[in-house]
Amino acid sequence: NAGVTQTPKFQVLKTGQSMTLQCAQDMNHEYMSWYRQDPGMGLRLIHYSVGAGITDQGEVPNGYNVSRSTTEDFPLRLLSAAPSQTSVYFCASSYGVGTEAFFGQGTRLTVV
Amino acid sequence: EDQVTQSPEALRLQEGESSSLNCSYTVSGLRGLFWYRQDPGKGPEFLFTLYSAGEEKEKERLKATLTKKESFLHITAPKPEDSATYLCAVKGSGNTPLVFGKGTRLSVIA
Repeated sequence: NAGVTQTPKFQVLKTGQSMTLQCAQDMNHEYMSWYRQDPGMGLRLIHYSVGAGITDQGEVPNGYNVSRSTTEDFPLRLLSAAPSQTSVYFCASSYGVGTEAFFGQGTRLTVV
Repeated sequence: EDQVTQSPEALRLQEGESSSLNCSYTVSGLRGLFWYRQDPGKGPEFLFTLYSAGEEKEKERLKATLTKKESFLHITAPKPEDSATYLCAVKGSGNTPLVFGKGTRLSVIA
């Protein structure tokens, strides 16, 4: 049972490049979400999904897209990377509303 | 809007010196308050969920309590391996996921 798996662990992008951060969970959780973590800012919600085919915006959605075609996968797309998107990105999943979220190990992204 | 404030930002303790971390929250319709531990370079690791005022949960040297406005994470006789950042989060009504505080960075010195 792998839990929540994020790839890649590290990535360096040039300004303007696009890329997809992958997130997969094998716990059959309905709820999945993406957070970014910056020094002094805590974890901030980017996008979330309450089930396959359903996504919604969080606190800081600009510059990011998501889709949820399967229960297991929830990729995060950076459309045109900017230095302000340099951060550590965490994917999380939970069984339902009000239950604990399980986190992946994170993707450290640097945009130069 | 759901909000979480944690204090202090950082705490340095001697081994065996007990203390408490605070998490103050405002939320519409609390559906759960969560404590996580995060080690450097790792994702947050779940510790406790509290659902109603007066509830308490314990795990080894950690004890979490909940009132209608705040939660405390009590650390009894801490050891160096308890050093980490402790995060508090709330789940309110609706579908939005957890809202996190900025965390308390705990250092326990031998």
